[in-house]
Amino acid sequence: EVHLEQSGAEVKKAGESLRISCKGSGYTFSTYWIAWVRQRPGKGLEWMGIIYPGDSDTTYSPSFQGRVIISVDKSTSTAYLQWDSLKASDTAIYFCARRGVRGVPYFDFWGQGTLVTVSS
Amino acid sequence: QSALTQPASVSGSPGQSITISCTERSSDVGSYNSESWYVSWYRQDSGRAPQLIIFDVNNRPSGVSDRFSGSQSGNTASLTISGLQAEDEADYYCTSYSSSTTYWVFGGGTKLTVL
Repeated sequence: EVHLEQSGAEVKKAGESLRISCKGSGYTFSTYWIAWVRQRPGKGLEWMGIIYPGDSDTTYSPSFQGRVIISVDKSTSTAYLQWDSLKASDTAIYFCARRGVRGVPYFDFWGQGTLVTVSS
Repeated sequence: QSALTQPASVSGSPGQSITISCTERSSDVGSYNSESWYVSWYRQDSGRAPQLIIFDVNNRPSGVSDRFSGSQSGNTASLTISGLQAEDEADYYCTSYSSSTTYWVFGGGTKLTVL
């Protein structure tokens, strides 16, 4: 059974760094793209970027380029989303999602989400 | 860069059908090309992870009710839910992938209320 398990909720202060994770299981992790999606409180979904674990090929949304770093560790089947300097506006739930087989343009499995709270 | 517009809310009574639209508006004049615009739909219950309900215009993953259907005409995609049930109350999002930009955009989401 395909499963994406995300790391637990985080409470940080503005200016701090953070890395959250998304561990895949039940499938060949290295052959499926993993995307990250942000949802601010009471707001809609925003696509942040995507990474191919096989070769770490990464594409960022123009809205998030330079603000976050997406990475992956194939050996542990884990994708990461990190910030070097958090802002209060980064407060949100962050979801990871698996792109479907053979690179189809939709996301078939999602993690449960990680709540990140940043205080100013 | 493109943007996807959805109605903020729709409502219907049990048993009725509703349709949620998703209109693509590209800031690049003349860049719209239906052959490179791929739409999928997701349902999100409050506080939960989104769930894929429609892909490739009108295909449903296994386990998704056939009361959910999709269509696309020009720069507008639509999600129709027939035979509304109370359990259909949720937020619904369209998203598009462009093969020319290689990234995704989500619509603003539509809150469905079953009266």
